[in-house]
Amino acid sequence: QTVVTQEPSLSVSPGGTVTLTCGLTSGSVLTTFYPTWYQQTPGQAPRTLIYSTASRTNVRSSGVPDRFSGSILGNKAALTITEAQADDESDYYCMLYLGNFIWAFGGGTKLTVL
Amino acid sequence: EVQLVESGGGLVQPGRSLRLSCAASGFTFNDFGMHWVRQAPGKGLEWVSGMHWNGDAIGYADSVKGRFTISRDRTKTSLYLQMNSLISEDTALYYCAKGYTAYYSTGGVDVWGQGTMVTVSS
Repeated sequence: QTVVTQEPSLSVSPGGTVTLTCGLTSGSVLTTFYPTWYQQTPGQAPRTLIYSTASRTNVRSSGVPDRFSGSILGNKAALTITEAQADDESDYYCMLYLGNFIWAFGGGTKLTVL
Repeated sequence: EVQLVESGGGLVQPGRSLRLSCAASGFTFNDFGMHWVRQAPGKGLEWVSGMHWNGDAIGYADSVKGRFTISRDRTKTSLYLQMNSLISEDTALYYCAKGYTAYYSTGGVDVWGQGTMVTVSS
């Protein structure tokens, strides 16, 4: 069974750049997995940051600053945050389409800004 | 404004059933695929189920397959999740979520509800 993998935790300095990745225990992440990225702060519903569909790839959701960007790096999907700010400190989840009408989330990355 | 309002959660004994509802407004519900996602206390997000705009395709996570049933009512612009044979591992906050396209399999979650809590305990 394929599992979606993420770094359990990362840290970044204020003003710095950090890249979070989203991979698979078997195989490479392609655009056809429609990688989607979410941000969640404690007690809140997730917020969609970056999405992909059959016609659009790595699109920022409405209202998301351009400090956040999505890409495919090597065999993984990636979320890059530039000019990190204190309120970027959150949990970040990726979601991939695994085929056969099944989606799966990664375990999440806890990002610390310090 | 797109709104998704979940209801139907509560405390239920193991082995019993519960039906969650999600009232959708602010968008053309019948044009979009929909998802259910859950989050156990202190844990990460787990995709539960999804359905195309017309119900032609449905998917379930292995953890709920055979026990949960997703459905939608076009006239009531509502999404449902029938949960049977509940177990303690089903305890979670259940989110209703709108897809990006008519086909939930070609785009992830766009808008999230606030969730409804389900607790399975004797």
